[in-house]
Amino acid sequence: EVQLLESGGGLVQPGGSLRLSCTASGFTFSTYTMIWVRQAPGKGLDWVSTVTGTGATTYYADSVKGRFTVSRDNSKNTIYLQMNSLRAEDTATYFCAKDRGGSGWESDSWGQGTLVIVSS
Amino acid sequence: DIVVTQSPGILSLSPGERATLPCRVSQSVSSISVSWYQQRPGQAPRLLIYAASSRATGIPERFSGSGSGTDFTLTISRLEPEDFAVYYCQQSRIFGQGTRVEIK
Repeated sequence: EVQLLESGGGLVQPGGSLRLSCTASGFTFSTYTMIWVRQAPGKGLDWVSTVTGTGATTYYADSVKGRFTVSRDNSKNTIYLQMNSLRAEDTATYFCAKDRGGSGWESDSWGQGTLVIVSS
Repeated sequence: DIVVTQSPGILSLSPGERATLPCRVSQSVSSISVSWYQQRPGQAPRLLIYAASSRATGIPERFSGSGSGTDFTLTISRLEPEDFAVYYCQQSRIFGQGTRVEIK
């Protein structure tokens, strides 16, 4: 059974930093692209970042480019999202998700999310 | 930039009724890039449909997807109580705003 467990969320001041982690189990982690998606309170889903299986290629939403960095450690079955220069509009639940592995961009497994609140 | 539009934002239906949820993409896209998710309150999203019309593992047959080009549809043939939730259309990395299916 695929399991994804996010951690690292919390309250941070504007301009601060936070690092999220997502630890995976139940599949061959290194062969799958992984994704971060966020959801502001009461709002819809918002793609944040994608990292390929080797970690060699990463993608970012324009809203976080230059501030967030995605990485992975395949020896620990974990992906990370380093978030710097945080803004109030970054307040959201952050989900990590596993790419299905097909030709599209769909995610077939999701964690339960970790809440990030950016506020003074 | 591509825009994904889901309208209406809210669909009020009764259990047993058929639900038809449209998703419009601002330019023609490959069907491979379109997927649908269900999100119940307090839960993570769940993949229902990928490649516009393929059901994900474990998804009941009452869920079906169709469409091509710019117009795609998620259909729930007969609403069960657990189907009242928010549904998101995704094209590539872009999510629509979602359609809430609520009990009438």
